[in-house]
Amino acid sequence: EAGVAQSPRYKIIEKRQSVAFWCNPISGHATLYWYQQILGQGPKLLIQFQNNGVVDDSQLPKDRFSAERLKGVDSTLKIQPAKLEDSAVYLCASSRTGGEGTQYFGPGTRLLVL
Amino acid sequence: DQQVKQNSPSLSVQEGRISILNCDYTNSMFDYFLWYKKYPAEGPTFLISISSIKDKNEDGRFTVFLNKSAKHLSLHIVPSQPGDSAVYFCAASARTGTYKYIFGTGTRLKVLA
Repeated sequence: EAGVAQSPRYKIIEKRQSVAFWCNPISGHATLYWYQQILGQGPKLLIQFQNNGVVDDSQLPKDRFSAERLKGVDSTLKIQPAKLEDSAVYLCASSRTGGEGTQYFGPGTRLLVL
Repeated sequence: DQQVKQNSPSLSVQEGRISILNCDYTNSMFDYFLWYKKYPAEGPTFLISISSIKDKNEDGRFTVFLNKSAKHLSLHIVPSQPGDSAVYFCAASARTGTYKYIFGTGTRLKVLA
């Protein structure tokens, strides 16, 4: 079974530019998560999708971050405009059912904002 | 406010000995706890979990203990192996609503050969 795929793996941009990350979850997984992991901290949930609907986006900075999961499969996370404090690893995870279902993480996208 | 705390940023253990990683939480609504392991340049991988109705769960060399009154959990690895060297995150969730995981800051374990 293929794991969670993410691209790109690394991205360097200047502040005020925009950037987008892509995630392809494990086949058949209904729930998809985007996390932000700042250096020295644990992953922090940004947004959770159940199929193509948003379940929780309470920690998503909506003035600059947006995410979508069209057709309930792939997802994209966008930052526009980026700030220096957005430098982090962005992790995508998926689970079969949500709830207590084990979350499987992708390798992450490392973003550096200069 | 950090609801899940891992107060030891790093830990070194000799191969074959026991590794004990600790985690404290503050939210009494948390009732499901997990440990994830993370190697460099990879995403976290699930290791073991425990529900609040239990105080111990074992899976091979890995055992998680939960002390609800102290709001404390620990991960024991016996015997420790060099391949266990990684960053370990504990996470907690409340089995109501969205089951959102709250992660600790991680403990870097180094197992010395």
